[in-house]
Amino acid sequence: TAGITQAPTSQILAAGRSMTLRCTQDMRHNAMYWYRQDLGLGLRLIHYSNTAGTTGKGEVPDGYSVSRANTDDFPLTLASAVPSQTSVYFCASSVSSTTDTQYFGPGTRLTVL
Amino acid sequence: TQLLEQSPQFLSIQEGENLTVYCNSSSVFSSLQWYRQEPGEGPVLLVTVVTGGEVKKLKRLTFQFGDARKDSSLHITAAQPGDTGLYLCAGVPGGNNRKLIWGLGTSLAVNP
Repeated sequence: TAGITQAPTSQILAAGRSMTLRCTQDMRHNAMYWYRQDLGLGLRLIHYSNTAGTTGKGEVPDGYSVSRANTDDFPLTLASAVPSQTSVYFCASSVSSTTDTQYFGPGTRLTVL
Repeated sequence: TQLLEQSPQFLSIQEGENLTVYCNSSSVFSSLQWYRQEPGEGPVLLVTVVTGGEVKKLKRLTFQFGDARKDSSLHITAAQPGDTGLYLCAGVPGGNNRKLIWGLGTSLAVNP
């Protein structure tokens, strides 16, 4: 079982460009999450989805958007990237929004120049 | 705002040594999770503690949840190089808010 896959593994992006980070899970989990991880700041929740068709804002949502058209996919879009969005991005899922264990993907390392 | 403070932030020890890392808060959590993150990978759940005073063991790792459910500790006996990684605690607040509260982590290096 693949679990959660993320693409790309890494990317260098020019400031002002848009980009979509892809996340797919094969565990049929209802809840999905996007985090960014920065040195000294830890894991911070960007957006989440409790179930297909619904999304919510996390701690640091500005500059990011998400969609949840189906159970398996949860893409994260940066409409106009800025250097402060340089980070490692992790997608995660859990069985439900009330089930606590989260399963993480391998991450996408994004550099915005 | 509920916060989880982890200490120490960094720890470098020799193989075979024992160590304890801490996860503290002024708030009560309904449960607390410990994750380990290896370089270049996402965090992986090690254990969840739910009951105040609970102790769980995972081979050489011993996890304890404080009686008041405000703090937790992770003790590693006879550390091995394979224990190297970032140890993260994450608390589940009480009530309807089920979004995890994450600590910043303890970065552990076990040298051969």
